[in-house]
Amino acid sequence: QSVLTQPPSVSAAPGQKVTISCSGSSSNIGNNYVSWYQQLPGTAPKLLIYDNNKRPSGIPDRFSGSKSGTSATLGITGLQTGDEADYYCGTWDSSLSVRWVFGGGTKLTVL
Amino acid sequence: EVQLVQSGAEVKKPGESLKISCKGSGYSFTSYWIGWVRQMPGKGLEWMGIIYPGDSDTRYSPSFQGQVTISADKSISTAYLQWSSLKASDTAMYYCARHSSSSWGNWFDPWGQGTLVTVSS
Repeated sequence: QSVLTQPPSVSAAPGQKVTISCSGSSSNIGNNYVSWYQQLPGTAPKLLIYDNNKRPSGIPDRFSGSKSGTSATLGITGLQTGDEADYYCGTWDSSLSVRWVFGGGTKLTVL
Repeated sequence: EVQLVQSGAEVKKPGESLKISCKGSGYSFTSYWIGWVRQMPGKGLEWMGIIYPGDSDTRYSPSFQGQVTISADKSISTAYLQWSSLKASDTAMYYCARHSSSSWGNWFDPWGQGTLVTVSS
C-alpha cells in the first residue's frame, strides 16, 4: 500500500485531456513539493514535473502539474498515443522517518 | 550531458552476494545525492535510500534498512548497491537516479537505465 494514492488507470481518446490525481497527507504532500515521472513501457522513469508545477527543459507544455492541500494533479492535454505510459508522483514523507515516497502509479491508456 | 550508467543484468542464486554500480558523468558527482529505486516485476517504484558521495552520508528507507548497503567511490564517480545474501524476492529492476533540489523541493533526474537482478535457484 503506497503512502500516496493514485488511480490505477485512466484512459482517454487522442487529442483529449486527462488528469491523474495523487492524494497524500500533511506528512507528505501537505508540507512538501511534488514531482511527477513518466515511465514508458520497458524504459526507465523520466522526470516530467518538479516543484509541483515546473517542467524540465524538453518537456512539452501539454504536461502540467498543480497542488492543493494534500493532493497533487498531473494534467496532460492533446493526448498522443506516445503518452501511453505509467505515471508516478513522488515527494518526501515524514510520518515514521524521513523517506521519499512514490505513488502506486497510474497506467494511462490512449484509446 | 548529465548521465548515469548502470552495470549490466545479473543472474544469481539465493544466498549469493552482489554489488551493482551506477556511474555518473557530466556533472560534479560529489555535489548531488544519488538514490536507488526498486521496481519489482509488474509493480511500482520503491525508494530504497540515498547517498551523498561527497561525504558518503547515507539514508535508508525503513523497508530496506539492514537488507542492502549503499556506498559510493567518489574517485571514480560511482555509487553502489549491494546485497550480502540474495533472496528470490530481490528479483527486480533497480534504478539509480540523481537527487536534485531547488529552494523549494527535490526530485530525481536523470535516471540510470536500470539493472535487472534475477535471483533463482
